[in-house]
Amino acid sequence: AQSVTQPDIHITVSEGASLELRCNYSYGATPYLFWYVQSPGQGLQLLLKYFSGDTLVQGIKGFEAEFKRSQSSFNLRKPSVHWSDAAEYFCAVGPGGSQGNLIFGKGTKLSVKP
Amino acid sequence: DSGVTQTPKHLITATGQRVTLRCSPRSGDLSVYWYQQSLDQGLQFLIHYYNGEERAKGNILERFSAQQFPDLHSELNLSSLELGDSALYFCASSVGASGNTIYFGEGSWLTVV
Repeated sequence: AQSVTQPDIHITVSEGASLELRCNYSYGATPYLFWYVQSPGQGLQLLLKYFSGDTLVQGIKGFEAEFKRSQSSFNLRKPSVHWSDAAEYFCAVGPGGSQGNLIFGKGTKLSVKP
Repeated sequence: DSGVTQTPKHLITATGQRVTLRCSPRSGDLSVYWYQQSLDQGLQFLIHYYNGEERAKGNILERFSAQQFPDLHSELNLSSLELGDSALYFCASSVGASGNTIYFGEGSWLTVV
């Protein structure tokens, strides 16, 4: 069965430090992979997505993610975190090439220390 | 602002009752998706409509139903409500049937007491 695992429920980083959020997926073929961010009281906003090609994907707000087929991973990174990045981050997989019928991970809550 | 509008933003109702959540997609979008976000289950896909037709079903209970109207707005009907139905219900929309980015609304908070 298709699934997405985000091993870290909550991460705290200092402002200006680098960030890596982990995501592992289980899917038979090459999946469509997504990272969404949810700020308190807000809907989900797409940060970036991967379909094929270059395995390093650039997104909005300075985020990037790397697809590693051998590790079934799609980790999200940011070189320098800002206080406004505090939010919950969700990794998702789109089975069968769908961008809408998504399977989400449980999310990682990011706190940023001043 | 994603352009997807959901009403009501908050709703408190009693067990056994029925509620209707409404979603207006972005202008020009033909697809509407419904998701449920709960503490227990996380974010789960419920159902997808494209131009009035049901296209895909996810983990949607039989007590729940949805429809998309000719003006493309959608309604999610939740009946015989239980405490466990308390959740944030998101609507999302996209232009096409599957190959396009989806845009989420801010959600409707449902509390069942």
